[in-house]
Amino acid sequence: ILNVEQSPQSLHVQEGDSTNFTCSFPSSNFYALHWYRWETAKSPEALFVMTLNGDEKKKGRISATLNTKEGYSYLYIKGSQPEDSATYLCAFKEYGNKLVFGAGTILRVKS
Amino acid sequence: KAGVTQTPRYLIKTRGQQVTLSCSPISGHRSVSWYQQTPGQGLQFLFEYFSETQRNKGNFPGRFSGRQFSNSRSEMNVSTLELGDSALYLCASSRGGTGAMNTEAFFGQGTRLTVV
Repeated sequence: ILNVEQSPQSLHVQEGDSTNFTCSFPSSNFYALHWYRWETAKSPEALFVMTLNGDEKKKGRISATLNTKEGYSYLYIKGSQPEDSATYLCAFKEYGNKLVFGAGTILRVKS
Repeated sequence: KAGVTQTPRYLIKTRGQQVTLSCSPISGHRSVSWYQQTPGQGLQFLFEYFSETQRNKGNFPGRFSGRQFSNSRSEMNVSTLELGDSALYLCASSRGGTGAMNTEAFFGQGTRLTVV
């Protein structure tokens, strides 16, 4: 059974703080690692799809890194804003297999 | 470009009944996956269909089934509903071809099923 773990489970930060979350996944049979943002009352929305070891991707104030050899990915948010409040999900995919999601990290940003 | 459409958005059913949920993927997407989300749980994978064939299956009982039509629209059926089936059911479509970037999932807004 594939196990994708995310930490922390939840995080409360002040507006302007920078923060980061971790996603751990199996280091064998890697195909892709996804990050999604899920805001309340909306659908999960893709942030990044990462495929190569050492990959770094950036979208505005959000960036992610990938280490496939040791099986982890970090998501960073620089200067958190209240609109960043959401659940951040990572998902691991083996070739030809299903996308397995972690339980998510809930981020709350106070203004 | 229209997004992923799920119908209905909300549903209340009685124990023992059956239910069918529908998902229309983004035009051109050939893969449709279904997920269940219950309070305190992450997204649990139900199944994936690609070009009308079930490609992957999660660990759910046989009461949960699905199918995909030639236009890529998909339906999910749950028979003999139990109270524990109350959940948000999400479907996601992706291009589904070769290449990891084709696995990016685009989600619908979900169907909230309540079993009483």
